[in-house]
Amino acid sequence: AQTVTQSQPEMSVQEAETVTLSCTYDTSENNYYLFWYKQPPSRQMILVIRQEAYKQQNATENRFSVNFQKAAKSFSLKISDSQLGDTAMYFCAFMKRTGTASKLTFGTGTRLQVTL
Amino acid sequence: GAVVSQHPSRVICKSGTSVKIECRSLDFQATTMFWYRQFPKQSLMLMATSNEGSKATYEQGVEKDKFLINHASLTLSTLTVTSAHPEDSSFYICSGTGPLETDTQYFGPGTRLTVL
Repeated sequence: AQTVTQSQPEMSVQEAETVTLSCTYDTSENNYYLFWYKQPPSRQMILVIRQEAYKQQNATENRFSVNFQKAAKSFSLKISDSQLGDTAMYFCAFMKRTGTASKLTFGTGTRLQVTL
Repeated sequence: GAVVSQHPSRVICKSGTSVKIECRSLDFQATTMFWYRQFPKQSLMLMATSNEGSKATYEQGVEKDKFLINHASLTLSTLTVTSAHPEDSSFYICSGTGPLETDTQYFGPGTRLTVL
């Protein structure tokens, strides 16, 4: 079974600053995906970024980037130029790559507050 | 991205009654749908996985006779909470994947169930 750990229950960052959210996971699988999802107060889950484990290059989506360390089983999310709209709960998630639809295993989440 | 809707968004019911929640994929065929439960300030916990035309696969500890899942078409899955009790009060979220993008889950906006 896979486990995902987010050790930071809450974090705060000032607008325009950079923040890094940490995530570690445990698995015996070699082929998998890692995700960061954002859940704002509306509760709608929004995909922020995705990383395929077989790719060494870190994924980037505009202000969001990841630091994927496969050997260390670490998958942190960096948010640059933080904006008020980034205030949300952030979940790290793991998915085994099977070729068919597979379930997501979520971490416990990090609540990010962006302040003025 | 693809769109998933849920109906109703909020429902309040009396203890002992049954409640049906609908999950629809609006612009893609969801060959697989997932149902998650989220308690306040907690993460998403997978309840079951359903493939169109097949019986749902429930996670350990989830009562299949209490949480009835039907996935009769490629665009609709339903979750029926039977004989609801106050401890069933929660936020229920569905997601769907298409036949080609099996590594991407599109989430619905969720349904808040309150059992009095």
